[in-house]
Amino acid sequence: EVQLVESGGGLVQPGGSLRLSCAGFGFTFSRYSLNWVRQAPGKGLEWVSHISSNSKTYNTDSVKGRFTLSRDNAKNLLSLQMNNLRDEDTAVYYCTTGDYVAWGQGTLVIVS
Amino acid sequence: EVVLTQSPATLSLSPGERATLSCRASESVHYYLAWFQQKPGQAPRLLIYDTSNRATGIPARFSGSGSGTDFTLTISSLEPEDFAVYYCQQRTNWPPVTFGGGTKVEIK
Repeated sequence: EVQLVESGGGLVQPGGSLRLSCAGFGFTFSRYSLNWVRQAPGKGLEWVSHISSNSKTYNTDSVKGRFTLSRDNAKNLLSLQMNNLRDEDTAVYYCTTGDYVAWGQGTLVIVS
Repeated sequence: EVVLTQSPATLSLSPGERATLSCRASESVHYYLAWFQQKPGQAPRLLIYDTSNRATGIPARFSGSGSGTDFTLTISSLEPEDFAVYYCQQRTNWPPVTFGGGTKVEIK
């Protein structure tokens, strides 16, 4: 069974940094593209970032220059380095497989 | 950026009734339209991909249709566990991938 487990969320001040991680289990991690999708409290879903199996990355405009996505296939680990955080980055961050079939449970980031 | 507009925002129905949810795109997304279900405190779940293909394990009462800019998710007979928020998503013209604002299906 494909499983994704996020970690690293927490409370951070505006302008601060946080690193989210997503561990993959039950599938050949290196062959999958992966995404981050976030959801602000009481709001809808917003796509944040995508990384292909060969590590090409794409970001939504609002995080360009602030968020960096990377992967370590040897450790089955996806990382999202978030710098210069803003109030509007407050959300639950979900890791998903590239086809959006598998989702993690989410990790909450609060910028305040 | 492709904007997806879902309607209605809220649908009040009783168990056993038919639910029809709409998603309209600001430009053609061909047939690359997906639907997700989200219950409170849970991650979204993929229901339908490429307009009309049910994801693994999704009951047959869920069906999708449409093409171009107009799409529909139909739940033929609502079960108690179907009351949730539903989102459409397009991945045709990306980045960015975009989601609709959601339709909440609530118990009448």
